[in-house]
Amino acid sequence: DAGVTQSPTHLIKTRGQQVTLRCSPKSGHDTVSWYQQALGQGPQFIFQYYEEEERQRGNFPDRFSGHQFPNYSSELNVNALLLGDSALYLCASSLGPGLNTEAFFGQGTRLTVV
Amino acid sequence: GQQVMQIPQYQHVQEGEDFTTYCNSSTTLSNIQWYKQRPGGHPVFLIQLVKSGEVKKQKRLTFQFGEAKKNSSLHITATQTTDVGTYFCAGRWAGGYQKVTFGIGTKLQVIP
Repeated sequence: DAGVTQSPTHLIKTRGQQVTLRCSPKSGHDTVSWYQQALGQGPQFIFQYYEEEERQRGNFPDRFSGHQFPNYSSELNVNALLLGDSALYLCASSLGPGLNTEAFFGQGTRLTVV
Repeated sequence: GQQVMQIPQYQHVQEGEDFTTYCNSSTTLSNIQWYKQRPGGHPVFLIQLVKSGEVKKQKRLTFQFGEAKKNSSLHITATQTTDVGTYFCAGRWAGGYQKVTFGIGTKLQVIP
């Protein structure tokens, strides 16, 4: 039973570029949430996808966008990269968007913007 | 906005000593979750507390949820080197669905 998988594991981009990160949820899960974790900080909620729609959004600019596919996998896109976007990007999946569901995190994608 | 304050930010303990981390919200939580993140790893779910005054135990770990559902604690008895990592609490509020707000985390170092 595969857990949450993210790709790539590491990525280096230049300021101003665009990046796409990918996430495959745990088998049987239909909800994907994305988090940004800066060094020494707790994960910050970016947004959540359920039924191919963005359901909840944190305090992130429109440069951050996403998508969920019919197979429940998801992408996170970041445009016009800034140095401050350097962080570990975590994907978490769960069964349904409900309040009391357990989230399983992937290993994350380490993005470095230079 | 809704925030979860977590203290302390760092804790060094001698192996065998106890350890406690605390989380506090200014508003009533629907539930609180605890995660452990090993250095270089990703957060791993430990437990979820939902009911007022709830206490749950996992071997040497004891989790508590306050009566007012505004605070929570994680206590580790007789720490071991395998307990090293950062412990995060993550709170959710009614209407927030899966929007989980993490505390800053408590980084635990265990000195052998």
